[in-house]
Amino acid sequence: EIVLTQSPGTLSLSPGERATLFCRASQRVRSSYLAWYQQKPGQAPRLLIYGASNRATGIPDRFSGTESGTDFTLTISRLEPEDFAVYHCQQYGTSPWTFGQGTKVEIK
Amino acid sequence: QVQLVQSGGGVVQPGGSLRLSCVASGFNFRIYGMHWVRQAPGKGLEWVAFTRYDGSDKSYGDSVKGRFTISRDNSKNTLFLQMNNLRAGDTAVYYCASNGESFYDQYFKHWGQGTLVTVSS
Repeated sequence: EIVLTQSPGTLSLSPGERATLFCRASQRVRSSYLAWYQQKPGQAPRLLIYGASNRATGIPDRFSGTESGTDFTLTISRLEPEDFAVYHCQQYGTSPWTFGQGTKVEIK
Repeated sequence: QVQLVQSGGGVVQPGGSLRLSCVASGFNFRIYGMHWVRQAPGKGLEWVAFTRYDGSDKSYGDSVKGRFTISRDNSKNTLFLQMNNLRAGDTAVYYCASNGESFYDQYFKHWGQGTLVTVSS
């Protein structure tokens, strides 16, 4: 199965700063089939990005996703207070569909 | 407005069974694949099972294969997860989630609120 490794484990930033989150796959992800989710405490995850770079419906354009080989990046251009949460990446190119362990973005 | 409303969680003894339900509204449930995803306390997400829109194709994660069964009733817009021979390691919040736009879009577009399953003696 494809193993996804997210880094860093925790990112401490202030509102207004830029956040860069990484997700590295153990092998190539077919057809750029990678998604990103945001999860706040006690809530279900919310889809942000699919197909490595496509924003889901209603997601602000400060969220963007890129791909370079087996490395995927989620960027939040300017952190808003509501963006502090845990972010998960998921690949759906090869079954079983797998997730990274998550990156927590916390207020510095 | 899309809603996935879950029920059926609770406490069960090891070796026991439980059935989870997920009622969908606000979208055309019968044309979308559906998933179950779980999250153990303090841990990451784990995909559990998938059913195609008409129930003709199902797949499972290795950790639940042979013990869990996913099914759906399109006449009632409802997804199910029958969980048998439960183990302590199955303790988690279980989420139902809708598939993306096509069969190959195996990401999780809309999510239920989650239901906690605790396996303990």
